[in-house]
Amino acid sequence: ELKVEQNPLFLSMQEGKNYTIYCNYSTTSDRLYWYRQDPGKSLESLFVLLSNGAVKQEGRLMASLDTKARLSTLHITAAVHDLSATYFCAVGQPGYYGNKLVFGAGTILRVKS
Amino acid sequence: ETGVTQTPRHLVMGMTNKKSLKCEQHLGHNAMYWYKQSAKKPLELMFVYNFKEQTENNSVPSRFSPECPNSSHLFLHLHTLQPEDSALYLCASSQVSLQETQYFGPGTRLLVL
Repeated sequence: ELKVEQNPLFLSMQEGKNYTIYCNYSTTSDRLYWYRQDPGKSLESLFVLLSNGAVKQEGRLMASLDTKARLSTLHITAAVHDLSATYFCAVGQPGYYGNKLVFGAGTILRVKS
Repeated sequence: ETGVTQTPRHLVMGMTNKKSLKCEQHLGHNAMYWYKQSAKKPLELMFVYNFKEQTENNSVPSRFSPECPNSSHLFLHLHTLQPEDSALYLCASSQVSLQETQYFGPGTRLLVL
């Protein structure tokens, strides 16, 4: 059974600081997704990582994937208040009929000014 | 309408009621999903439909009954629910392809009394 673990589960950081969220998973997969969820809102897709060594960046967020270590990271550079949200990683178990995603518990990020 | 829409956004029901949740996707996708998000557990996949055919039932109790009349619409029929079924129910859709990013609707916040 695929298990996905995120840490930390809660992160309070100052504006301007850097930090990394980790996502570990238990079985082989080469599909890793990062989503953002604002309070009371739905999930917004941030990144899709499809191969070992994949790195994607958007603004102050950068995601990477190491399939051998079964680890993805979401790095936050020079945090700003607008990044406050819950971040989820999800691991894909691809099949012909849709993509079964297993989500981590989420990391609640609070950026303090 | 664009993206993935869900109605109603909020629902309060008694344990003996019957209600239905509706999801519609305007993205031309061929796969649709129901997820449950509760405070105590990570986001859980409930059902997967591909081209209107159910391809995944993640051990969901029979008091939840999905229906997919076409590739754009997905329903979740609810009957004799329990208080522990109170949660945010999210619908998502995707195009079966290499990337298969799932796009989520805003969710229905369900309270079972």
